[in-house]
Amino acid sequence: GENVEQHPSTLSVQEGDSAVIKCTYSDSASNYFPWYKQELGKRPQLIIDIRSNVGEKKDQRIAVTLNKTAKHFSLHITETQPEDSAVYFCAAKDNYGQNFVFGPGTRLSVLP
Amino acid sequence: GAGVSQSPRYKVAKRGQDVALRCDPISGHVSLFWYQQALGQGPEFLTYFQNEAQLDKSGLPSDRFFAERPEGSVSTLKIQRTQQEDSAVYLCASSLGLRELFFGEGSRLTVL
Repeated sequence: GENVEQHPSTLSVQEGDSAVIKCTYSDSASNYFPWYKQELGKRPQLIIDIRSNVGEKKDQRIAVTLNKTAKHFSLHITETQPEDSAVYFCAAKDNYGQNFVFGPGTRLSVLP
Repeated sequence: GAGVSQSPRYKVAKRGQDVALRCDPISGHVSLFWYQQALGQGPEFLTYFQNEAQLDKSGLPSDRFFAERPEGSVSTLKIQRTQQEDSAVYLCASSLGLRELFFGEGSRLTVL
């Protein structure tokens, strides 16, 4: 089955700097890759997603890149703000299954 | 309500007790998922429903875990004879298709 790894497990950046979180997946059939943000004690919420037919997607300060050949995808946050502090989870899903496989998460701390 | 609702938010059980966790998905959402999230980990898939049909229960860790969605709306996750290793946050998520997952705030189970 699918296995998703995520690095780093913790990340601290200064406010205004960029943050990058990387994920790898094992199943070449996976074709949908969402990113979820979970603030302390809150529910995970989708922040951006990408399908395998595109290599990059942007939404304001957030972007996701996908390399299907290498089976990895990354989340990029620019001009980080304190409210970006949270745990971020990547996930992968294929076209046939229903199971979203999540990575272990990255705890991002944006220092003022 | 507008979002996914879970109850109870917190449950403390003595080892060996049975517990029932409820999920009220967003109205009209066909897909419903249960995930288990251990402290500091990503959500781990337990089971998936499409309407009232349980299409995938491959993630249920043992036969002590049972889930149902009899009318294709509210779902209940039941854990019999709870063990300490069952302590986790149990997340329910619903989806209109199989893309964005809308999570509830979770039920935190502590087994003493």
